[in-house]
Amino acid sequence: DGGITQSPKYLFRKEGQNVTLSCEQNLNHDAMYWYRQDPGQGLRLIYYSQIVNDFQKGDIAEGYSVSREKKESFPLTVTSAQKNPTAFYLCASRRQGSTEAFFGQGTRLTVV
Amino acid sequence: KQEVTQIPAALSVPEGENLVLNCSFTDSAIYNLQWFRQDPGKGLTSLLLIQSSQREQTSGRLNASLDKSSGRSTLYIAASQPGDSATYLCAVFDTGGFKTIFGAGTRLFVKA
Repeated sequence: DGGITQSPKYLFRKEGQNVTLSCEQNLNHDAMYWYRQDPGQGLRLIYYSQIVNDFQKGDIAEGYSVSREKKESFPLTVTSAQKNPTAFYLCASRRQGSTEAFFGQGTRLTVV
Repeated sequence: KQEVTQIPAALSVPEGENLVLNCSFTDSAIYNLQWFRQDPGKGLTSLLLIQSSQREQTSGRLNASLDKSSGRSTLYIAASQPGDSATYLCAVFDTGGFKTIFGAGTRLFVKA
C-alpha cells in the first residue's frame, strides 16, 4: 500500500533536548512538507522540499531543521531553540506536476 | 499574503440535516482548493479537490463549489450522519509561493 508514514505517533521531549520526527513516503512524490498544527489554528508550514538535497523555510522555520538526503525521507528535527514545541506535526507529500497534497497520520510532540 | 478563513469555527446539527461549511480566501491566484477531513488526533484525509478552472466537485453526499473571483468555496454535506463528525479543513494551493495554505477548520458535530 502506498502512503506516508510518520513515526512515532507520540513523542515526549524534555526541556533542552533535540528530537527528530520521521516521515517516509513510498508514493514516489517529489515534494514533501512539514506542518505544525495547534488547537484552533490552521496548519502552518515549517519547511518544504521540492527535490532531493534542497529545501526551503516555510512560515515558522525558527527552531526547526530538516534534511532531504533521499526522495522517500524528510525528517524534521525540533531543536532546543524552539521555545514552544508542543503541537501536532503533520508531514505531506505531492507528486511533481500535481497540486494535490497527501498527508501522514501525524506525530504529537509534548514537552515534559 | 494569502489568508484562508473558515466560518463557522464549530457547528452542531441533528442527524439528517443538510449543512454548508464556508471557506474564503483573499487572493484569487490559486491552482486549486482542497477540502480535508480530520478526525481527532489523526492526519488529514482529502475529500474533494477543485481545480481553479472548475466550479464544483461531487463525491457521494459531499459537494464542493468554488467561486474563484469572489474568493469563496462551500462544502455541502447532504443528510448528515454521526460519522460525519470531524473537523473539516479547507486549503488553497497558492500560485505565489507554490504551497498549500490552510484555514483553521470547522469542527462539526452531528447528533444522533
